[in-house]
Amino acid sequence: DAGVTQSPTHLIKTRGQQVTLRCSPKSGHDTVSWYQQALGQGPQFIFQYYEEEERQRGNFPDRFSGHQFPNYSSELNVNALLLGDSALYLCASSLGGTGHAFFGQGTRLTVV
Amino acid sequence: QKEVEQDPGPLSVPEGAIVSLNCTYSNSAFQYFMWYRQYSRKGPELLMYTYSSGNKEDGRFTAQVDKSSKYISLFIRDSQPSDSATYLCAMFLSSTASKLTFGTGTRLQVTL
Repeated sequence: DAGVTQSPTHLIKTRGQQVTLRCSPKSGHDTVSWYQQALGQGPQFIFQYYEEEERQRGNFPDRFSGHQFPNYSSELNVNALLLGDSALYLCASSLGGTGHAFFGQGTRLTVV
Repeated sequence: QKEVEQDPGPLSVPEGAIVSLNCTYSNSAFQYFMWYRQYSRKGPELLMYTYSSGNKEDGRFTAQVDKSSKYISLFIRDSQPSDSATYLCAMFLSSTASKLTFGTGTRLQVTL
C-alpha cells in the first residue's frame, strides 16, 4: 500500500517564477491538505481539499492556489515566487477530512 | 502568543532514559491531539492520536492529555538512538475543521 507520494522531491526556482507541486494521497483517502514548513519551524496549514473543493484555507496569500482531481490527487501552485517561499512543502492525506493525517516526504523548494 | 507552544530544545539524553516532551495550547476548543516524529529532511510520521483527556499507551510511547490545563505530553521509555528526531505536537478542532495546528517541534538526541 503506497503512502502519500509527492513530486518533485527538490526544486530550485528563481524569484518571480511559478511552481507546481504534486501529491498523490494514500490509497483510500479522499482529503488532501498542504502545509509549508520553514527551517526550524512546525508545518503551517495552507489549505485543504475535499471533493475537489477548497474546504479550509490558512493565512496564505492568493499567490498560493490548489486543485484536487477526481482521483483525489492534488496540486499546489505558487505564483510570483518570493525568497521567503523557500521551505519544505508537505502534503497530508486523510479520510473524510479527519485529522488523522498521513504526510508525504515533502518537496523542498528553494527560491533564488 | 502562538496557539501552540513547544520547547524547541535540543534535548539530549542517554540511551535508556525516559524522555518527556510537552506542549501547551491556548485554544480550549482543540479536541484532538497528535504527536508526530520527523527525521531530518523527511515528512512527519504519525506516532500517537488521542481525543480525550487521560493517557494512551503504544509500546514505548505514552501520550497524555490534560484539557483542563491545556497541556499535552509524550513520554518515551527506554529511549534508543533511533528515537533521535524532531517531535511535533499537533491538534485540531473537529472533523469538519481539521486543519492541524503544530508546535515548533522539539529536537531530541539520544546518545550511546
